[in-house]
Amino acid sequence: DGGITQSPKYLFRKEGQNVTLSCEQNLNHDAMYWYRQDPGQGLRLIYYSQIVNDFQKGDIAEGYSVSREKKESFPLTVTSAQKNPTAFYLCASSPPGQAQETQYFGPGTRLLVL
Amino acid sequence: QKEVEQNSGPLSVPEGAIASLNCTYSDRGSQSFFWYRQYSGKSPELIMSIYSNGDKEDGRFTAQLNKASQYVSLLIRDSQPSDSATYLCAVRIGGYQKVTFGTGTKLQVIP
Repeated sequence: DGGITQSPKYLFRKEGQNVTLSCEQNLNHDAMYWYRQDPGQGLRLIYYSQIVNDFQKGDIAEGYSVSREKKESFPLTVTSAQKNPTAFYLCASSPPGQAQETQYFGPGTRLLVL
Repeated sequence: QKEVEQNSGPLSVPEGAIASLNCTYSDRGSQSFFWYRQYSGKSPELIMSIYSNGDKEDGRFTAQLNKASQYVSLLIRDSQPSDSATYLCAVRIGGYQKVTFGTGTKLQVIP
């Protein structure tokens, strides 16, 4: 089955710890995105990547880092510099061509701070 | 002014009625408009996309776009309890790759 997978579903972070959220897609999509969603708020863009080995900061990139070494994978690291990381993290991808504006979302990872 | 604004709701409608969800945007250069549905605790799923003025229908859903007034709406006919969710409006500004989301409107369909 084609789709976007995110793991883990729940992640607990201790103070001062870096954690990495996984996002994998087998849809052959070029573009991938990371969003953060807080209660009562919309999705805020953290990072996005249009092509392998290239990525751009979104609106709230501070305290986060990404890599795009493979087309299928776009992991997000939440660093210790991110002081308020508790949120629902969503990965998305979009196909090439005219349909690239349509984003398909993974199931999300809920990050909690211990 | 927020780039994309939605009334947070909740919007309550009886089963079988028409639900009307509205969204306004600030940038006149916006070119692409999307409606996503998000059930509690789940990820958003695309319902409709619209790119030109007028109406676009897909089953029980109709998206309406008015670029002069800078608003986009979603009508859900014959609302069902299963339509109860938060509906997110998203807008892409021309020339930019990123899509900006509104905070969403929570819809409750009362049986």
